[in-house]
Amino acid sequence: GAVVSQHPSWVICKSGTSVKIECRSLDFQATTMFWYRQFPKQSLMLMATSNEGSKATYEQGVEKDKFLINHASLTLSTLTVTSAHPEDSSFYICSASPRGRGSLSSYNEQFFGPGTRLTVL
Amino acid sequence: AQTVTQSQPEMSVQEAETVTLSCTYDTSESNYYLFWYKQPPSRQMILVIRQEAYKQQNATENRFSVNFQKAAKSFSLKISDSQLGDTAMYFCAFMMYTGTASKLTFGTGTRLQVTL
Repeated sequence: GAVVSQHPSWVICKSGTSVKIECRSLDFQATTMFWYRQFPKQSLMLMATSNEGSKATYEQGVEKDKFLINHASLTLSTLTVTSAHPEDSSFYICSASPRGRGSLSSYNEQFFGPGTRLTVL
Repeated sequence: AQTVTQSQPEMSVQEAETVTLSCTYDTSESNYYLFWYKQPPSRQMILVIRQEAYKQQNATENRFSVNFQKAAKSFSLKISDSQLGDTAMYFCAFMMYTGTASKLTFGTGTRLQVTL
C-alpha cells in the first residue's frame, strides 16, 4: 500500500517558538494532503486541506496565520505552528490522497501518516 | 454539513466472541462513502473497511463486516472472532463524493477492549 511519513514523530519546544512538521508521500504523488489534529482521547478534527501549488483551505475556527501550510510539491506538505503555546500541544496527523480524478467506484483514498506529537512547554 | 455519531464510548468483548460497533450519520448527499478506521495504541490510522453508498450489498473484509442501512443512515461494524490485536479505538467516518480528494468527517470513536 501507499506510504506516508511524517517528521518529526515527536517534538518538544518552548512557548513562543515555531515548529515545522513535514508530511511526505513516499511512493505516490499526492495532489491533496489533509492535516488533522487529535487531542488525547478525542477524535480527529480536520484543520485544513492542502492542494499542491495553491493556498490551503482552512476549516472554520482554525487560525491560518498560526498554522501555516505549504504544499510545495506533489510529495511534500508542511505544517508550521507559529508562536506555539501550551494549548497547541496535540497530536498532528496528515493524510495524502493520490493524484488523479476518482470515479464513484474508485474513490480517492486517504493514506495516513504516523502522526507527530507536539508538546509546547 | 455532515455529522457522524458514535454512541458507544467504550466496549469490551471476550476473545473469539463477536461485537458490533454502532455509527449513525447525517447528510443530504446521495453519493458518499463510509469508513471504519482503527487506531491502535501506536496511533497509526488503519482502514478497516469501506462502503460505497450506491452499493446495497454490505461490505466484508475477512472478520469485519458492516450493516449499512442507507435509509436509516446507520453504518455498524461487526467484528467476528475477536482477537487481542483488535483492541483499539475505532472511528466511523464519512466522505462525500466530489470526484476529487475529499475530506473525512470522523465520529467521536469507540474504544474497544478485547479480553481473554
